[in-house]
Amino acid sequence: EAGVVQSPRYKIIEKKQPVAFWCNPISGHNTLYWYRQNLGQGPELLIRYENEEAVDDSQLPKDRFSAERLKGVDSTLKIQPAELGDSAVYLCASSRRTSGRVRTDTQYFGPGTRLTVL
Amino acid sequence: GNSVTQMEGPVTLSEEAFLTINCTYTATGYPSLFWYVQYPGEGLQLLLKATKADDKGSNKGFEATYRKETTSFHLEKGSVQVSDSAVYFCALRETSSGSARQLTFGSGTQLTVLP
Repeated sequence: EAGVVQSPRYKIIEKKQPVAFWCNPISGHNTLYWYRQNLGQGPELLIRYENEEAVDDSQLPKDRFSAERLKGVDSTLKIQPAELGDSAVYLCASSRRTSGRVRTDTQYFGPGTRLTVL
Repeated sequence: GNSVTQMEGPVTLSEEAFLTINCTYTATGYPSLFWYVQYPGEGLQLLLKATKADDKGSNKGFEATYRKETTSFHLEKGSVQVSDSAVYFCALRETSSGSARQLTFGSGTQLTVLP
């Protein structure tokens, strides 16, 4: 089974430029997550999708960040315009909704996109 | 809110040494607990997990026991190898009926094992 695929792996841009990241989750995984990982820190959730619906975007800086998951499969995360403080690794993860009353979905992570804003 | 506090690194050990990486948590409910590992240039991989108190997660010689009384989930391995060199993240997620919840991560502990 293929894992979570992300591209590009690395991106270097100048501030005020736009940038986009792409994620293809594991086949059959209905939940998709975007995380940001700053240097020396753990990942922090930006947005979570259940199928094509964004169900938790409370930590997404909506003035410059946007995301979409058309058709409930692939997803893109965009930053426009990028700022110096956006330099980080952007991680995508996916999980399959488990059956039963208590949800214990395991999240599987992609390799991430390392963004450097100059 | 939820939080995870990990032992600060970096940690450097010789091969075959005993490893402990401390992790404590704060949660409002009854979380599931996880250890993820991140090898250089790769994404996070689930190492082990425990979903209720006194559960022990284990994988690849690593173990961690969910201790509700001390709100801890310390990672241990009896004999580390050079290939265990990586960054280790402790994480929690509250489990409940309904929607899945986000993972809350610690800041990570860099482990280097010397031959």
